[in-house]
Amino acid sequence: EPEVTQTPSHQVTQMGQEVILRCVPISNHLYFYWYRQILGQKVEFLVSFYNNEISEKSEIFDDQFSVERPDGSNFTLKIRSTKLEDSAMYFCASSDRQIEYFGAGTRLSVL
Amino acid sequence: AQSVTQPDIHITVSEGASLELRCNYSYGATPYLFWYVQSPGQGLQLLLKYFSGDTLVQGIKGFEAEFKRSQSSFNLRKPSVHWSDAAEYFCAVGAPYGNKLVFGAGTILRVKS
Repeated sequence: EPEVTQTPSHQVTQMGQEVILRCVPISNHLYFYWYRQILGQKVEFLVSFYNNEISEKSEIFDDQFSVERPDGSNFTLKIRSTKLEDSAMYFCASSDRQIEYFGAGTRLSVL
Repeated sequence: AQSVTQPDIHITVSEGASLELRCNYSYGATPYLFWYVQSPGQGLQLLLKYFSGDTLVQGIKGFEAEFKRSQSSFNLRKPSVHWSDAAEYFCAVGAPYGNKLVFGAGTILRVKS
């Protein structure tokens, strides 16, 4: 069964550093998403991406965040200057118009 | 505004007992409704979905859910819980064609033997 793949599974970084979280969506999907889950809190939407541009973003997704689909297979989330409060599990998802399929997540720890 | 409420943060049931996890939603249009399960250290796995039609939907692992429009609810049920069902369960509401999902806070299910 096709699946969404995320790397790395765990990323540790120093405050102020840039991180790139990587995702390989399911190959024939058209819609791509990033969500995050701070420990003990609900899963929150960050951004959706379609046709090589952002289709919707939340108020969390400020100027220090960016997304890119650099080639036909990868979908990345970049955090330019990490803050302690960016520590969370980040989930990538892709959709076939109706159902979102999630990756296993990247746990980001900002020290 | 779109929102999902899962009123139970934790639920403990005995193995073999029945289970019902509650979910209420607020959504402006006809909702697409989902239940996802998250085992420790794992991603979100889709259990079942409701788009339209029969209001009782079947999912994987023996789960089912019933959509009740009048109550804005989409409760998840299982007739006999197994120890492997211990996980966190998330109800979510959305729409097709790239619209985001809005998640509830989740319900942690513990199964006692």
